[in-house]
Amino acid sequence: KQEVTQIPAALSVPEGENLVLNCSFTDSAIYNLQWFRQDPGKGLTSLLLIQSSQREQTSGRLNASLDKSSGRSTLYIAASQPGDSATYLCAVRAGTGNQFYFGTGTSLTVIP
Amino acid sequence: EPEVTQTPSHQVTQMGQEVILRCVPISNHLYFYWYRQILGQKVEFLVSFYNNEISEKSEIFDDQFSVERPDGSNFTLKIRSTKLEDSAMYFCASSRGTGSGNTIYFGEGSWLTVV
Repeated sequence: KQEVTQIPAALSVPEGENLVLNCSFTDSAIYNLQWFRQDPGKGLTSLLLIQSSQREQTSGRLNASLDKSSGRSTLYIAASQPGDSATYLCAVRAGTGNQFYFGTGTSLTVIP
Repeated sequence: EPEVTQTPSHQVTQMGQEVILRCVPISNHLYFYWYRQILGQKVEFLVSFYNNEISEKSEIFDDQFSVERPDGSNFTLKIRSTKLEDSAMYFCASSRGTGSGNTIYFGEGSWLTVV
């Protein structure tokens, strides 16, 4: 069964810093990987999707990379802002089936 | 931007009661899902639905759960006899397809509290 881990569990940075969130998964036979943002008590907002054949995806200040062979993905946030404060979840879709396996998330606080 | 909508946003129910959670997926999407998140835990897959039938379900999705697409727009999750451990946030999601380039979109969730 696919296990997804995110490190660190919590991160606090001053505004303007660049930061990296990490996601690791145990089974490298993935179909794709998606990064989400979750605000407290709210739903999941899709940030980036990386297909298994891709190495990275970019959207604005966000860049996600994927290294399937080592079972890792990173989410890079440039020039962080207080509005980036949220929990960031990575989710991996296995090579078979439709379900996503989620990590426990990284809670990010950007201090003004 | 199209979005997945869910109702109710919060429901409190007594143990043993039946609950129906409702979702309106994005209109041109063909695949529908339910996930849940118990407070402080990971988001977990419950079920996926395509072409009016369940395509995949997890071990959590036992006989007390059922899903239905009663009309062309709604997708529902029914919990027949709720237990305390069913208290969680339930997320509906949809996607256009299941190819590797298809993004899955989630709703805002329905908080279910069983007392």
